[in-house]
Amino acid sequence: AQSVTQPDIHITVSEGASLELRCNYSYGATPYLFWYVQSPGQGLQLLLKYFSGDTLVQGIKGFEAEFKRSQSSFNLRKPSVHWSDAAEYFCAVGGTGNQFYFGTGTSLTVIP
Amino acid sequence: EAQVTQNPRYLITVTGKKLTVTCSQNMNHEYMSWYRQDPGLGLRQIYYSMNVEVTDKGDVPEGYKVSRKEKRNFPLILESPSPNQTSLYFCASSLVRGLNEQYFGPGTRLTVT
Repeated sequence: AQSVTQPDIHITVSEGASLELRCNYSYGATPYLFWYVQSPGQGLQLLLKYFSGDTLVQGIKGFEAEFKRSQSSFNLRKPSVHWSDAAEYFCAVGGTGNQFYFGTGTSLTVIP
Repeated sequence: EAQVTQNPRYLITVTGKKLTVTCSQNMNHEYMSWYRQDPGLGLRQIYYSMNVEVTDKGDVPEGYKVSRKEKRNFPLILESPSPNQTSLYFCASSLVRGLNEQYFGPGTRLTVT
């Protein structure tokens, strides 16, 4: 069955510290992977996506993610977190199937 | 401006009173989808549409209906809403099914009492 797992429900980091949000997926075909961010009261904004090629992808707002096929993972990273990064982050998988699957989200709190 | 619009943004209704949430996109996207977002459950797909007149169930279709008579519009219909359908609903569209990123509307906060 297709699924996305985000094992961390909530993460707290200090401003300026590095960040890694975990994502594992299960998908029967070639996965197309996405990270979205949802600020409080807002819709979802695409941070980055992976379709093929270089397994390290760069996104907006200084985020990057690395696709590791052997681990079925697509972890999101940022070297230095800003207070404005506080939000909910969702990993998602699509592909040649007809549906998208989202993880349950990771809520990020940034301490000044 | 390329966008997905939803209306209404907020809705409070009573059990059993039929309602429709509209969704429209201006990007000529083939694929459209409805999600509900609940705390601790993330986004779950309700229905999706590959193109005009082609719709299919997602993971949580019970209690919902959709139609796709025009490419740009994909309304979500609750024939007889119940309190367990209280949720935040998002419409999304993408160029072609799962092969492209989805663009999301601003969300509709629905409360059923």
